[in-house]
Amino acid sequence: KAGVTQTPRYLIKTRGQQVTLSCSPISGHRSVSWYQQTPGQGLQFLFEYFSETQRNKGNFPGRFSGRQFSNSRSEMNVSTLELGDSALYLCASSLQGAGNTEAFFGQGTRLTVV
Amino acid sequence: GDSVTQMEGPVTLSEEAFLTINCTYTATGYPSLFWYVQYPGEGLQLLLKATKADDKGSNKGFEATYRKETTSFHLEKGSVQVSDSAVYFCALSYSGDSSYKLIFGSGTRLLVRP
Repeated sequence: KAGVTQTPRYLIKTRGQQVTLSCSPISGHRSVSWYQQTPGQGLQFLFEYFSETQRNKGNFPGRFSGRQFSNSRSEMNVSTLELGDSALYLCASSLQGAGNTEAFFGQGTRLTVV
Repeated sequence: GDSVTQMEGPVTLSEEAFLTINCTYTATGYPSLFWYVQYPGEGLQLLLKATKADDKGSNKGFEATYRKETTSFHLEKGSVQVSDSAVYFCALSYSGDSSYKLIFGSGTRLLVRP
């Protein structure tokens, strides 16, 4: 079966712009979570959605937001981009949420802010 | 709060050498423990997991045992291959918990030379 698909794979944006990243989970998975990966901070949890409801949010500023659609696809948005937002953004899907069921990761979107 | 600590990398080994990557955790409850692997340019793949004390997870020649008394989950492999070169992440999560997130260590890069 198809895995987790993240689009686009690479993005270059300018400071102050906003960006939207997309994640299509494995068919049948209703939980989608997002992580930011940077060399300095490692992998940090952004938020998790299940059936269109955000169930948990990490310690990130309000510039980071997300949503989930009825087909379980998810988007995350970062407004007013800063240089420090440059990172690999990873999406993970699971049946019921990490910890309860296995999380499968996409290949990530590499965001570069210049 | 909960956290995961991994040994600093990179770890450089010759092919067929024995591998150990140390992982210790701090947890308020009884988490499940995971090892994920990230190959260059890819997302994370679940390598193995253990859900309770004294459980041993194993996959592709890798093993790790959940040691509650030492709060450790060290990754081992008897004979590494060049294809094992990757970054390895130790992580914890709680089943039945409402956080729905994985807490990751900082990652350990493994380089295996022919």
